[in-house]
Amino acid sequence: AQSVTQPDIHITVSEGASLELRCNYSYGATPYLFWYVQSPGQGLQLLLKYFSGDTLVQGIKGFEAEFKRSQSSFNLRKPSVHWSDAAEYFCAVGPSGAGSYQLTFGKGTKLSVIP
Amino acid sequence: EPEVTQTPSHQVTQMGQEVILRCVPISNHLYFYWYRQILGQKVEFLVSFYNNEISEKSEIFDDQFSVERPDGSNFTLKIRSTKLEDSAMYFCASSPMGANEQFFGPGTRLTVL
Repeated sequence: AQSVTQPDIHITVSEGASLELRCNYSYGATPYLFWYVQSPGQGLQLLLKYFSGDTLVQGIKGFEAEFKRSQSSFNLRKPSVHWSDAAEYFCAVGPSGAGSYQLTFGKGTKLSVIP
Repeated sequence: EPEVTQTPSHQVTQMGQEVILRCVPISNHLYFYWYRQILGQKVEFLVSFYNNEISEKSEIFDDQFSVERPDGSNFTLKIRSTKLEDSAMYFCASSPMGANEQFFGPGTRLTVL
């Protein structure tokens, strides 16, 4: 079964500092990978996705992520964090098999930003 | 920009009561999903729906749950007899194709007393 591990439950960074959120996955084939962000009381917003091709993908709000097959990782990065980036970030993998399109989520990383 | 909408935003119910959570997926999407997130836990898949039938469901989605697309726009999740442990945020999502990004609604917070 596929799984997603986000090893950091909570990260605190200063505004303007760089950010890297870690995501490792377990999947038998080439995965589809996603990062979603959830602000308090809000739904899930897609930041970026990887299906194939260039392993460095750009997303919204200045985020990027790099797919590393050898490390089974898809880490999210941002060069300079803004206070409005404070939220919870979820890595997800899918599909889970032929005809199965469910997403499997990690437990999330809560990001706090110090002004 | 089109978006997935969900109603109500918050539902409070008594244990044993039936609830129906409503979703309006993005209009040209073909695949529909329900996920839930118990407070402090990760988002979990419940069910996917395509071509007017369930295409996949998780172990969570037992006989107490059902889904329906009663018309061309709505997609509903019914919990027949709610339990305390059904308290969670329920997210609806849709996608244009199966293996594609899923667009999530804002969620319905269900509180079972």
